[in-house]
Amino acid sequence: AQSVSQHNHHVILSEAASLELGCNYSYGGTVNLFWYVQYPGQHLQLLLKYFSGDPLVKGIKGFEAEFIKSKFSFNLRKPSVQWSDTAEYFCAVNPPNAGKSTFGDGTTLTVKP
Amino acid sequence: EPEVTQTPSHQVTQMGQEVILRCVPISNHLYFYWYRQILGQKVEFLVSFYNNEISEKSEIFDDQFSVERPDGSNFTLKIRSTKLEDSAMYFCASSKPTGGNTEAFFGQGTRLTVV
Repeated sequence: AQSVSQHNHHVILSEAASLELGCNYSYGGTVNLFWYVQYPGQHLQLLLKYFSGDPLVKGIKGFEAEFIKSKFSFNLRKPSVQWSDTAEYFCAVNPPNAGKSTFGDGTTLTVKP
Repeated sequence: EPEVTQTPSHQVTQMGQEVILRCVPISNHLYFYWYRQILGQKVEFLVSFYNNEISEKSEIFDDQFSVERPDGSNFTLKIRSTKLEDSAMYFCASSKPTGGNTEAFFGQGTRLTVV
């Protein structure tokens, strides 16, 4: 069975700091990879996704993620965070041809103004 | 842009009561899912549904839960006798398998509060 690990449970940054949130997965084959953001009290929003091709994926709101197959990682990055990025971030994976996703535990990001 | 819609957005129910959460998946999607997120915790898979039957379910999805596609558009999750610990956000999702690039689209969720 696949699993997803997000090692950072809570990250606190000041505005303009750079962000990197870790995501590692375990699965024996090809996977589709996703990052979602959930603002307080709101639903999941897709930030970005990776299916194949260029391992550096750009998403909305200035986020990007890099798929490193050899490390089973899909870390999320943003060069300069804003207060409005305060939210919960979830990494998720699903095998090809299956929309069932396995989510990580989430990382709470707090950005101080 | 097509989207998954869920109703109601918030449901309050008394312990022991039955509750039905409703979802309208994207019209040409074939796979449907329910997920649960207890407050402050991660999103957990409950069940997937394809071709009018459950294709996979988690250990959370016990006999108190059932899913149904009563017509061509709705997909429902029923909890027969709610417990306090069923209080959570419930997300519906749907997907259309297209080769290796399968993505589930999530609804905005129904917040269920059991009192």
